[in-house]
Amino acid sequence: NAGVTQTPKFRILKIGQSMTLQCTQDMNHNYMYWYRQDPGMGLKLIYYSVGAGITDKGEVPNGYNVSRSTTEDFPLRLELAAPSQTSVYFCASNLQGAPETQYFGPGTRLLVL
Amino acid sequence: QQQVKQSPQSLIVQKGGISIINCAYENTAFDYFPWYQQFPGKGPALLIAIRPDVSEKKEGRFTISFNKSAKQFSLHIMDSQPGDSATYFCAPAPILQGAQKLVFGQGTRLTINP
Repeated sequence: NAGVTQTPKFRILKIGQSMTLQCTQDMNHNYMYWYRQDPGMGLKLIYYSVGAGITDKGEVPNGYNVSRSTTEDFPLRLELAAPSQTSVYFCASNLQGAPETQYFGPGTRLLVL
Repeated sequence: QQQVKQSPQSLIVQKGGISIINCAYENTAFDYFPWYQQFPGKGPALLIAIRPDVSEKKEGRFTISFNKSAKQFSLHIMDSQPGDSATYFCAPAPILQGAQKLVFGQGTRLTINP
């Protein structure tokens, strides 16, 4: 199993541009999450999904959108990028059952200039 | 509102010593109390976790102590090794229909001197 994979690893965006951060897991996990980590800080939950077609907001959802059309994929969409969205983005997943280990991907580093 | 407060922010311990990191929380709905370990350039990885029905859990050199009434839990690393040098996060969560909405502390940068 590859686990949780994220692409790209690093991206520079200009203010106002849009992009999609990709996340795929091959562990057949029901639950998937997007977090952001600002320098020297803990992670904050952006959005999460409890299964295909079901998503909900986390602590910091503004400026982001998600979709979950399959069990494996959970893309995060940034519309109209702003410097405040400069961060490292982590995708995570866990199996159904309470509690199961939440596995994190390697992260996508995003710089908005 | 800062729901989770972690201390200290940084910690230096000699090899073979005991490392202790503390976490205080406010939300009484939390019922899952994990510690995550993160190395530079990597995603966090679960180290050890506890549920509120027990006061202590030990896995190898790592121990969680949990005090429900004080709303605090701590991570103890015995016989600390240079390979333990990393950033540690407490990340308590409510378990809602299986979803773990982790609330991360600010992190503790641990350095183990050889």
